[in-house]
Amino acid sequence: DAGVIQSPRHEVTEMGQEVTLRCKPISGHDYLFWYRQTMMRGLELLIYFNNNVPIDDSGMPEDRFSAKMPNASFSTLKIQPSEPRDSAVYFCASSPDWGNQPQHFGDGTRLSIL
Amino acid sequence: DQQVKQNSPSLSVQEGRISILNCDYTNSMFDYFLWYKKYPAEGPTFLISISSIKDKNEDGRFTVFLNKSAKHLSLHIVPSQPGDSAVYFCAASRQNAGGTSYGKLTFGQGTILTVHP
Repeated sequence: DAGVIQSPRHEVTEMGQEVTLRCKPISGHDYLFWYRQTMMRGLELLIYFNNNVPIDDSGMPEDRFSAKMPNASFSTLKIQPSEPRDSAVYFCASSPDWGNQPQHFGDGTRLSIL
Repeated sequence: DQQVKQNSPSLSVQEGRISILNCDYTNSMFDYFLWYKKYPAEGPTFLISISSIKDKNEDGRFTVFLNKSAKHLSLHIVPSQPGDSAVYFCAASRQNAGGTSYGKLTFGQGTILTVHP
């Protein structure tokens, strides 16, 4: 029973480069969430999807961030251009539906922007 | 504006004793609460949850207590084991008036639990 799969696990890149983070949710889960974890702000929700449709992107920090979910088994979070302050651990999570079902997290992508 | 607060950054307990982790919230609209455990280099793992219609939920060694009037919840681990050493996050969400969970989780900053053998 595969969990949420994120890739890459680590990404180091230079400021100004485009970064793409990937997520495969658990099969059958209708909701997908992108979170960012930093020392200053803790775990914060960036955006979430329901049935591949973005529902709430109010947590996306700025226009440099974008997220897509082209199908039920794949989502991307893109940062273009990247900046050092984007350095953080980015988590993807999925859940079957709201009905008080917990979200299942991937192991995250540790992003370092130099 | 931190709506979910875990005021203790760390907690150290002896193996076999009780661990009590605390969480306070400010948004009275929250009505579903969860605890997650996180090991280094891994994602948070769901541990236990409680709905606002209850004041206690138990699952093995883990019990969550909810005090709505005080806007406070706590996680009790009895007995504590070295494998419980991890970061524990409290999270909260709310249901809309129609009864469908809104579902957006707001997390606390986490408490590092260390259980000494």
